[in-house]
Amino acid sequence: EVQMVESGGGLVQPGGSLRLSCAASGFAFSGYWMYWVRQAPGEGLMWVSRISADGSNAVYADSVKGRFTISRDNAQKTLYLQLNDLRADDTALYYCARDLTISTPIVAYWGQGTLVTVSS
Amino acid sequence: QSALTQPASVSGSPEQSITLSCTGTSSDVGGDNYVSWFQQHPGRAPKLIIYNVRNRPLGVSDRFSGSKSGNTASLTISRLQAEDEADYYCYSYTVRSTFVFGTGTRVTVL
Repeated sequence: EVQMVESGGGLVQPGGSLRLSCAASGFAFSGYWMYWVRQAPGEGLMWVSRISADGSNAVYADSVKGRFTISRDNAQKTLYLQLNDLRADDTALYYCARDLTISTPIVAYWGQGTLVTVSS
Repeated sequence: QSALTQPASVSGSPEQSITLSCTGTSSDVGGDNYVSWFQQHPGRAPKLIIYNVRNRPLGVSDRFSGSKSGNTASLTISRLQAEDEADYYCYSYTVRSTFVFGTGTRVTVL
């Protein structure tokens, strides 16, 4: 069974940093592009970032570019998101997600999310 | 990266059919066929119900169907049921190799 479990969320002050993790299981992690998607409380979904299967290529939403960094450790089957210079509007539930099939830009499988709250 | 435009809410009676729209541009929805739809119940993670404009993943009811015309994609829910009450989001790959979600539609079963 495909499973992703996010962790690392919490309360952080504006300007602070956090590192989110996503532990994957039940599939060949190293073969799939992976994503981060966020959802502010009571709001819609927003795509954040996507990383290639080997970790060599990453793309970001304009609103997080230069502040967030996506990475992965295929040996540990773990996806990461480094969040720097956090702002109040980064407050959201952050989901880790996987492509439907290898090398297709179709988000299909989701974790349950980890909550990031940016507040003083 | 502006969000795709969806109606805020759509409602229907049980057994009726409803259609949700998702309007983008030639750089996203109109650019290729990587348009998906997700269903999200309160407090739950989104669930993929349509991909590549009109394909259903295994296990998704055939009451859900998708289509596209130009820069607008559509999701039709046939024979509406109480369990269909949820938020629905469209999603598209873009020509910049990025992704964009729709603003979301709240479906209410009367």
